[in-house]
Amino acid sequence: QKEVEQNSGPLSVPEGAIASLNCTYSDRVSQSFFWYRQYSGKSPELIMSIYSNGDKEDGRFTAQLNKASQYVSLLIRDSQPSDSATYLCAVRGLTGGGNKLTFGTGTQLKVEL
Amino acid sequence: EPEVTQTPSHQVTQMGQEVILRCVPISNHLYFYWYRQILGQKVEFLVSFYNNEISEKSEIFDDQFSVERPDGSNFTLKIRSTKLEDSAMYFCASRARLAGTPLEQYFGPGTRLTVT
Repeated sequence: QKEVEQNSGPLSVPEGAIASLNCTYSDRVSQSFFWYRQYSGKSPELIMSIYSNGDKEDGRFTAQLNKASQYVSLLIRDSQPSDSATYLCAVRGLTGGGNKLTFGTGTQLKVEL
Repeated sequence: EPEVTQTPSHQVTQMGQEVILRCVPISNHLYFYWYRQILGQKVEFLVSFYNNEISEKSEIFDDQFSVERPDGSNFTLKIRSTKLEDSAMYFCASRARLAGTPLEQYFGPGTRLTVT
């Protein structure tokens, strides 16, 4: 069973701090990894994609990938109250023609004033 | 900015009835997907569709489900005889073609299906 694991939280951080969200995956052959943000009652919104080991930065967001450890993380710098949401880690499979995404349960982030 | 659209936003139906959920993917995208999310649970893959045929489906996607691209813009999910456990948010997603283009999937706003 291919799984994506996340700590459900909530993760509480003060405004302006760095939020660190973590994800592990079980399928060693996975190659593509995505972070989505989901506000309550809304759809997943793509924040970052990462395909190679190392760091990828986009504005206040940095995704980190370590394929050897089967670990992917998302750092949010200068956290704002508007960042309060559930962050979904998703892994794209190699098998199957459509390359479906397998999601974790998400980590709820609360940014406090 | 192009986006995936879905209609209706909320559908209430009685058990045993047929429902059709509609999606308009991003115009230059060629892969289409349906996912669902039961309240409080994770997003689950249902089916992927490419070149007018199903390319992959999950065990959830049984004979009660079907998908169709009836024209050049719409992508539909049909549930033939709804059950209480089909109550969920249904998300349509699309992505560009594989070779040389990003692999990101973009999600529509979802249809909340309530089966009573």
